[in-house]
Amino acid sequence: SAVISQKPSRDICQRGTSLTIQCQVDSQVTMMFWYRQQPGQSLTLIATANQGSEATYESGFVIDKFPISRPNLTFSTLTVSNMSPEDSSIYLCSVEKPGQGTEAFFGQGTRLTVV
Amino acid sequence: KNEVEQSPQNLTAQEGEFITINCSYSVGISALHWLQQHPGGGIVSLFMLSSGKKKHGRLIATINIQEKHSSLHITASHPRDSAVYICAVSIIQGAQKLVFGQGTRLTINP
Repeated sequence: SAVISQKPSRDICQRGTSLTIQCQVDSQVTMMFWYRQQPGQSLTLIATANQGSEATYESGFVIDKFPISRPNLTFSTLTVSNMSPEDSSIYLCSVEKPGQGTEAFFGQGTRLTVV
Repeated sequence: KNEVEQSPQNLTAQEGEFITINCSYSVGISALHWLQQHPGGGIVSLFMLSSGKKKHGRLIATINIQEKHSSLHITASHPRDSAVYICAVSIIQGAQKLVFGQGTRLTINP
């Protein structure tokens, strides 16, 4: 299994500012995933973060808006830059670990409100 | 049309009732996941299935690969089961990725 510590759990931010979300995993993982869940919507993948290389972004998400760091195999950060009210969402990090199949583990989520 | 569809979107029941949440998908998958999301936003993985049936306590998950359908059942439901239940499938597109259903909001009244 994997235990993920995600911080902060919630924040209220002013528009135009940036927020960095951290995820710490209790074991080494190759890939970490960052998701966004807008109000009333399902989770959408923002990007996949590999250690030692640039993150791979999904269509509709760009590095300038959501820069990601992955300095080692247990840690990653997602920054939401130049925030607007439309960025108000839950942001989640996730890892997958092989076992009997590939099981997904999630952080506790960061509930972001931009005012 | 979404690749993963859940029904119902909202479900309210009385304590003790038997609950069924359904998930249909339209793509080839390597596994299907049932997740539970609590009001704070955190997500817990309940099951990962690639065939057949799994049981954990009062929760049962089944999958029919031929029909591309899965169900999550809760027996003897309790107010603490109130949460959003999300179905997600693992698909292979270059790298493996998860595609999520829109979730089912379950409320169990005492």
